[in-house]
Amino acid sequence: GAVVSQHPSRVICKSGTSVKIECRSLDFQATTMFWYRQFPKQSLMLMATSNEGSKATYEQGVEKDKFLINHASLTLSTLTVTSAHPEDSSFYICSATPLAVSSYNSPLHFGNGTRLTVT
Amino acid sequence: AQKITQTQPGMFVQEKEAVTLDCTYDTSDQSYGLFWYKQPSSGEMIFLIYQGSYDEQNATEGRYSLNFQKARKSANLVISASQLGDSAMYFCAMREGISNFGNEKLTFGTGTRLTIIP
Repeated sequence: GAVVSQHPSRVICKSGTSVKIECRSLDFQATTMFWYRQFPKQSLMLMATSNEGSKATYEQGVEKDKFLINHASLTLSTLTVTSAHPEDSSFYICSATPLAVSSYNSPLHFGNGTRLTVT
Repeated sequence: AQKITQTQPGMFVQEKEAVTLDCTYDTSDQSYGLFWYKQPSSGEMIFLIYQGSYDEQNATEGRYSLNFQKARKSANLVISASQLGDSAMYFCAMREGISNFGNEKLTFGTGTRLTIIP
């Protein structure tokens, strides 16, 4: 149980275009999903907290107009990288905890990540 | 101050030996959870084990155990009888907070790259 599906797994796009990444919880519901970014050989850094039915909460230094997050339902959150540039090339990974067991001591379950390359 | 500190950027261990990956944490919350994740080269994050701040016993999951020393704020991961498939990045992480709304983020350490030598 607690499977998170992320799509696409890899995407290459041209500079200036937009890319949408989907994160779905397949067998559970989640009011909150988290979006992380990981540069090569570095740790995971939280970009934003996605809240179902309301605006996302962005971490300091993350441009909300560039990284658009929509959490339309209890099982789907999307991250759109708008007007992508080569410096946005990174590994993006989403995560969530089942609503029924949400607590500080519940593990986050992660999608398999999306490797974005902007040329 | 760093919330999660992993001081070993890389470790090499002989197959079948035990290995300890260090993790110290910093929090003023009374309620928190400590987690270990494995990230193979393919990138997915695999949850290994967790320890709640109120748990009195050290957590164990198969070959993984967590050496939790609350007073020292350390939560070291011990892998017994290491296997070649254990080669990966290992991240220690913490989730703080007392709410039950599920909106507490995970904060990660910088990770330890473990390489198992045949």
